[in-house]
Amino acid sequence: DTAVSQTPKYLVTQMGNDKSIKCEQNLGHDTMYWYKQDSKKFLKIMFSYNNKELIINETVPNRFSPKSPDKAHLNLHINSLELGDSAVYFCASSPLDSQNYGYTFGSGTRLTVV
Amino acid sequence: AQSVTQPDIHITVSEGASLELRCNYSYGATPYLFWYVQSPGQGLQLLLKYFSGDTLVQGIKGFEAEFKRSQSSFNLRKPSVHWSDAAEYFCAVGPPASGGYQKVTFGTGTKLQVIP
Repeated sequence: DTAVSQTPKYLVTQMGNDKSIKCEQNLGHDTMYWYKQDSKKFLKIMFSYNNKELIINETVPNRFSPKSPDKAHLNLHINSLELGDSAVYFCASSPLDSQNYGYTFGSGTRLTVV
Repeated sequence: AQSVTQPDIHITVSEGASLELRCNYSYGATPYLFWYVQSPGQGLQLLLKYFSGDTLVQGIKGFEAEFKRSQSSFNLRKPSVHWSDAAEYFCAVGPPASGGYQKVTFGTGTKLQVIP
């Protein structure tokens, strides 16, 4: 069983479209994250949810909207896609207790905007 | 604000040779420190982490790292590199958790190439 699964793995779309990326974790973790990895492999946090509540919202265009229907799922919806949104998007989860935390990452969604 | 510096963008080692990847962090207190590995087309996998206690931590795949407070460093080492270790390695820093969330900051990564 995949611990953190993201779909789709690849996403190619035209500018101006709206798309969603889904993430699910079966680890029972309370906290989930979205990170963006650019072409230079730099990882930047976008959002974090703790048990369905938004707790980190970095400086991200409001075209990006996360949604967490329950603590096992964190989806990312992107409106009006732009060329600069092309990147690999990683979902991650972490347990709440400090002794055990460390992220478990999904395998990523490579988004290409053309 | 917390930050991480990985001064080496790219390192090449021969198979069987020893490896050390450098990581320096900036944080006001003792942070939580991590090393992750990313193979091509894959997500990041946690190699090891340091929270407190023994400053030499052991991880998976034969890796270890040493926390040196005086140098603000957390370097990753492996005594003998295997070809399968070729990947991108990320050092990361986060604040001590207090039963809540953590915001982890990643370094820019070091790409490891292993030659036969």
